[in-house]
Amino acid sequence: DAKTTQPTSMDCAEGRAANLPCNHSTISGNEYVYWYRQIHSQGPQYIIHGLKNNETNEMASLIITEDRKSSTLILPHATLRDTAVYYCIVRVVIQGAQKLVFGQGTRLTINP
Amino acid sequence: EAQVTQNPRYLITVTGKKLTVTCSQNMNHEYMSWYRQDPGLGLRQIYYSMNVEVTDKGDVPEGYKVSRKEKRNFPLILESPSPNQTSLYFCASSFVARRRFDNEQFFGPGTRLTVL
Repeated sequence: DAKTTQPTSMDCAEGRAANLPCNHSTISGNEYVYWYRQIHSQGPQYIIHGLKNNETNEMASLIITEDRKSSTLILPHATLRDTAVYYCIVRVVIQGAQKLVFGQGTRLTINP
Repeated sequence: EAQVTQNPRYLITVTGKKLTVTCSQNMNHEYMSWYRQDPGLGLRQIYYSMNVEVTDKGDVPEGYKVSRKEKRNFPLILESPSPNQTSLYFCASSFVARRRFDNEQFFGPGTRLTVL
């Protein structure tokens, strides 16, 4: 299983872009990078995923380096509601199952 | 509205008293899973199901049972709860990954269980 490394915590000012890094140096060729977040003990929420190319949706952008060993999640205009724990996950598929392996994540605090 | 529901949301019980936490999804997902979340240990998978009548153990299955008699429901059963099963439990569902392995999982709101 590819392992991810994320900073334990980060702060960002409201209205600014929040850039959350993730290292996944052992990622294999067919593994996707997923991002989920968890707001204060609620169920984790899917944000975005990608394989090689940069991806953007209504919530965030995902930048994956060319060697795929690291990625950055960008919340372009952070609000107080974006305060959460953000998990970078490399998708593991075992015998057709779809296990998500959650690490400790990054606790992002958006400050007014 | 597409969602995963869990009941109850909060439960306090005593050691040895059998309980069931229900999980239901309305998205016609084949895959369903249970996780528990504990401070410092993150989310860990308990059991999962690829489809009706197909279940398998996750990382921490001891003390739990599941069943999948219908596609939409995936109850978690604690036959004889113990204090070390005090935790926050999440149910999740998704379509089964196919070639691109790129489908998202939807999580329920969580069930906070306390076993005294």
